[in-house]
Amino acid sequence: GAVVSQHPSRVICKSGTSVKIECRSLDFQATTMFWYRQFPKKSLMLMATSNEGSKATYEQGVEKDKFLINHASLTLSTLTVTSAHPEDSSFYICSARDWASLPLKETQYFGPGTRLLVL
Amino acid sequence: AQSVTQLDSHVSVSEGTPVLLRCNYSSSYSPSLFWYVQHPNKGLQLLLKYTSAATLVKGINGFEAEFKKSETSFHLTKPSAHMSDAAEYFCVVRRGYGGSQGNLIFGKGTKLSVKP
Repeated sequence: GAVVSQHPSRVICKSGTSVKIECRSLDFQATTMFWYRQFPKKSLMLMATSNEGSKATYEQGVEKDKFLINHASLTLSTLTVTSAHPEDSSFYICSARDWASLPLKETQYFGPGTRLLVL
Repeated sequence: AQSVTQLDSHVSVSEGTPVLLRCNYSSSYSPSLFWYVQHPNKGLQLLLKYTSAATLVKGINGFEAEFKKSETSFHLTKPSAHMSDAAEYFCVVRRGYGGSQGNLIFGKGTKLSVKP
């Protein structure tokens, strides 16, 4: 099946620094990628929709200046947490949708997630 | 607006016994529904999906789900639990159609424990 990778898998940073998380579709092109945040023992919350070559669409309540999303190519989207604070500590998950294959285009493929800890 | 409600936060079964994870949905039109599984330290994996074809959907690893419009339910079942089924399960509905509206709304999850 389609594979989505995330890098890094976990990161620890100091408060005030910025952290970049990469999401890659390894064997398909993804015009649309999604970024989710998952709190401990909680569900996934959609943060933003990332479209290749255009600005991301953010969900209500998500600060676009704090969570910068770039989708520069059909296989790569990045999420940058700027000026991170302890409350940004969370599990960030990306997903990608394969539009090329009609039977599969309804399916999103998820990355393994990135655990961020801000000290 | 679409939403899903998972009725149990935690389900515990013995190995070899049936599994039932309950999910109710709310949608103003015929929904696309999914079940995903999340194992510790692994990415979410699609178990099965319903997209207005057959109401009984068969997925991977012996799981299946039945779409019941009259009950607005999409419960996940498996005849016989295996130890490897222990994980977090999410019932999911797709919001809208295509483009930026084609994203997913997740239920709060049901943790399945399997006892030997």
